[in-house]
Amino acid sequence: DTVLTQSPALPVSPGERVTISCRASESVSTLMHWYQQKPGQQPKLLICEASNLPSGVPARFSGSGSGTDFTFTIDPVEADDIATYYCHQSWNSYTFGAGTKLELK
Amino acid sequence: AVQLVESGGGLVQPKESLKISCAASGFTFSNAAMYWVRQAPGKGLEWVARIRTKPNNYATYYADSVKGRFTISRDDSKSMVYLQMDNLKTEDTAMYYCTAAVIAAFDYWGQGVMVTVSS
Repeated sequence: DTVLTQSPALPVSPGERVTISCRASESVSTLMHWYQQKPGQQPKLLICEASNLPSGVPARFSGSGSGTDFTFTIDPVEADDIATYYCHQSWNSYTFGAGTKLELK
Repeated sequence: AVQLVESGGGLVQPKESLKISCAASGFTFSNAAMYWVRQAPGKGLEWVARIRTKPNNYATYYADSVKGRFTISRDDSKSMVYLQMDNLKTEDTAMYYCTAAVIAAFDYWGQGVMVTVSS
């Protein structure tokens, strides 16, 4: 299985720029996607295929990368962005990272 | 608007069976691959099963953790997808989400249905 490694938590303040990294154990081309999940809710797709923003997702969210190294950026962070963010690859079956929890400083 | 609504969850004992369902609307269901993804309490996301479309012979795929025990199926005439879960184990306890790949990735998710396996 392709293992995705994310940092477990990041402290943030509203107005800041935050970057979350995701490293794959093998190349996944650009088939990396990012989801936001708030407590008690289902995940929501924010970035597909490394850098594409689905319709309706604010431009504060962006993604980049290819191969094994990917980043997800929120700029600027808003209070409503406090959530857990998961990376997900669909190149080799389907696996998710363990999630990065954004916390208020 | 796209809607995915899961149903059929509950409490079962180990080795028992349960079938959960997902009703889809708001998109051309027959054109979309459908998936089940689960999340154990306090844990991350785990892909469980995938079913492709009729042109792809409704091919199915499973995570190793459920292979041989779970069966995904779909009824395009009803816009429904199902997950038959047999020989359930305590480690199958999770929120089960139905998700669709309408455009790319897992575009849309249901609200989830809880399955608890406990004696």
